[in-house]
Amino acid sequence: SLVLTQPPSVSVAPGKTARIPCGGTNIGSYIVNWYQKRPGQAPLLVIHYNVDRPSGIPERFSGSNSGNTATLTVRRVEAGDEADYYCHVWDAHTLRGMFGGGTKLTVL
Amino acid sequence: QVKLVQSGAEERRPGASVKVSCKASGYIFTGQFMHWVRQAPGQGLEWMGRINPTSGGADYAQDFQGRVIMTRDTSINTAYMEMTRLNSDDTAVYYCATNAATAMALDYWGQGTLVTVSS
Repeated sequence: SLVLTQPPSVSVAPGKTARIPCGGTNIGSYIVNWYQKRPGQAPLLVIHYNVDRPSGIPERFSGSNSGNTATLTVRRVEAGDEADYYCHVWDAHTLRGMFGGGTKLTVL
Repeated sequence: QVKLVQSGAEERRPGASVKVSCKASGYIFTGQFMHWVRQAPGQGLEWMGRINPTSGGADYAQDFQGRVIMTRDTSINTAYMEMTRLNSDDTAVYYCATNAATAMALDYWGQGTLVTVSS
């Protein structure tokens, strides 16, 4: 079954671009969502359907998904973007959801 | 607007059970599945399962099969997650979440319920 793999941490300087990968066998055939998780807060959906931004999410956030890797890209990173980010897939074959292990984005 | 309001924090002894509620408003409760997700201290998000509020049927993650029961009461737009045979590893914040405005993503979340299991 599909297993989603994320690096534990990504660090980036303010104003630069952060790329957070989510690996999985043939993940490109799945629909991937991304959530931002800050301590003490509920997760916030930042990307759905691989590339779509919910209302209120800055255009700096974008997603892609192809082959064995989905990627969340955050451009012009700000201090307020520092959080944990999780990829998420719904497997319509097994009727199970799953999350990647999460990536802590640190703004240097 | 869509709101999911969960019940308050709970403390339990190992071996006990806990039932967390999630009251929905602002959308058609029977129109979308309700999911449950937990996060243990220092750990990642873990999908537990989902319930179809219309039929009452549920799908559970393998790790929770047989120990978690998801139910709902459509008369009060409330979903429930009951976990039995608690152990210290079940200490976590439990969230309900739904996809009220998206097809396959969790776009609305409850505020979370802390369940502490300790002897």
